[in-house]
Amino acid sequence: QKEVEQNSGPLSVPEGAIASLNCTYSDRGSQSFFWYRQYSGKSPELIMSIYSNGDKEDGRFTAQLNKASQYVSLLIRDSQPSDSATYLCAVGSSASKIIFGSGTRLSIRP
Amino acid sequence: GAGVSQSPRYKVTKRGQDVALRCDPISGHVSLYWYRQALGQGPEFLTYFNYEAQQDKSGLPNDRFSAERPEGSISTLTIQRTEQRDSAMYRCASSPSRSLSVTSRGYGYTFGSGTRLTVV
Repeated sequence: QKEVEQNSGPLSVPEGAIASLNCTYSDRGSQSFFWYRQYSGKSPELIMSIYSNGDKEDGRFTAQLNKASQYVSLLIRDSQPSDSATYLCAVGSSASKIIFGSGTRLSIRP
Repeated sequence: GAGVSQSPRYKVTKRGQDVALRCDPISGHVSLYWYRQALGQGPEFLTYFNYEAQQDKSGLPNDRFSAERPEGSISTLTIQRTEQRDSAMYRCASSPSRSLSVTSRGYGYTFGSGTRLTVV
């Protein structure tokens, strides 16, 4: 079992709709959770971090964390073509390192 | 500098040669991490430092890989006797926080542009 699992996609969402990205993790001791966006040929960039159960909103992005279910999600409202990228879920393990999932490719169709 | 700087951007080397990849983190950042990313995959953890101390090297694939950060700033990842399977993007990241614990409200990383290593 991978430590951080994501559906590889591609996930295709119409412009203006809500994109929902999901991630599960295996280390129950994990305390920090991140979503990175990576455009093709570029470095990952941090877009959201969450540490407590519940929702955290930042602009069009909402991160959701459920530690009991070991589940993290990212919602993108009013999806734009510029949101088309690979989204990496990352988990801060109890060993103080961040483990990344393989990423979900998101495509926003006009 | 303003960001994490890695050099060289591209490195092509012959199988069996040694290579050294350099990372210059954001000034003042305590933690420095090395990752390897294959095409279509997420970054794979290799090793990390707090200041000059190597905290975890569990991700280094074998003893051909080593890393150092002697003065707690610039870091070098060295691969000896390179093999074709070592070809990948090698990414460095730094963080102002030494801990990812909730207490310190751990930060995500800032990544450099990476070094694309090709072993022929």
